[in-house]
Order: sequence, then structure tokens, then C-alpha cells
Amino acid sequence: EVRLLESGAGLVQPGGSLRLSCAASGFTFSTFAMNWVRQTPGKGLEWVSGISEIGDRTYYADAVKGRFTISRDNPKSTLYLQMNSLRGDDTARYYCVKTSGKASFDYWGQGTLVTVSS
Amino acid sequence: DIQMTQSPSSLSASVGDRVTITCRASQNIASYLNWYQQTPGKAPKLLIYSAAILETGVPPRFSGSGFGTDFTLIISMVQPEDVGTYYCQQSFSALFTFGQGTRLEIK
Repeated sequence: EVRLLESGAGLVQPGGSLRLSCAASGFTFSTFAMNWVRQTPGKGLEWVSGISEIGDRTYYADAVKGRFTISRDNPKSTLYLQMNSLRGDDTARYYCVKTSGKASFDYWGQGTLVTVSS
Repeated sequence: DIQMTQSPSSLSASVGDRVTITCRASQNIASYLNWYQQTPGKAPKLLIYSAAILETGVPPRFSGSGFGTDFTLIISMVQPEDVGTYYCQQSFSALFTFGQGTRLEIK
């Protein structure tokens, strides 16, 4: 069974930093691209960042480019999102998401809530 | 970036109704279009990928069609458990983008 378990949630002040982690199990982590998707309370889905299978290619939404860094540790089957210079509009539930072999998002974690507020 | 526009933003249907949700891409995305369902309090779930292929385990009352810029999700006979929000997503670009969502409620 595929499982994606996010951690690292919390309350942080504007301008602060936070690192999210996602522990993956139930599939061969190193053979699939991974992503982070966020959802503001009561609003829609926003793709944040993606990373290739071996981590040599990374992609970012314009809203987070230059502030967030995605990375992965394949031996540990763990995905990360380092978030710096956080702003109020970064407040959201952040989902760890597996990319299928068909360019779709086939497994989602339950999400972890990040709140940016003073 | 590729923009995705869904319509309607919300709809209300009776059990057994046929429901149609449309999604338009700002440029040609071939069949790189996926549909997701998010029920209240849950993470999104993949329904359809590559515009028309049903994900394993998804009931056959769901179907998808389209190519290029215009796509459709149809629920042939709505059930109470279909309440939630439906999102389209383009995967033509590595900078994935979602539509704004369509909220489905049952009358």
C-alpha cells in the first residue's frame, strides 16, 4: 500500500523558514517524480513544486520560485520542501504527491498545515 | 504558464442526474488532462488521466473526453457520495496547473 506521510507543519512568523518532510512507502520511491501541492483553506489546489526521479530536475510555481527548494533523499524515501521568506499567502495545507507513470498525480498524502502569521 | 478554466464553478444536481463539467486550457495540451475529486475533509483523488482513461477503481459512471484545449467530465448518474469539488489539471507542462474547481452539491 502506498503511503505518503507529511510532517513539519507549524506556525511561523512572516519572513521565517520551515522545512516540510514526506516519508514515502509502499512503492519504489527512486523511480517516480514527486511534487508538493498546496491548498488554502476553503480554496482550490495550487501546484507548488516538482522534482524528477533522481533529483536532477526541479520545477517551481512562480509564486514560490526563489523562496522554496524541493529536494529528495532516495535511500531514505523522503521528499523535502524547504520554505524560506514565508509570507501570509503561503498559509495552506501542503500535500506530498506522487506522479504516476502517466503524468498524473496518483497518490496524495493527507497534508500538513502551514500557518504564516505574526 | 498554461491557464486552466473550469465551468461551472458550482452546480446542484439530483441523484440520478447527468452532470457535465468543462475545462478549457489556454493552449493546446493534447490529451495531457487529468481530473480529480476532492470530497469534504479528504485529500484529492485521481479520477481520470490522459483526458479519458478511468483510474483503477473509479466507478464507470465517470467519464472524460476532449483533446487540445476543450475537455469534459461527465457523471452519468450522480450518487450522493459524489458530493465534493472536481478539479482539472494539465500535465502537458512540467509546471502543472489546476482549474479553479467545480463544487457539486446534491439537491
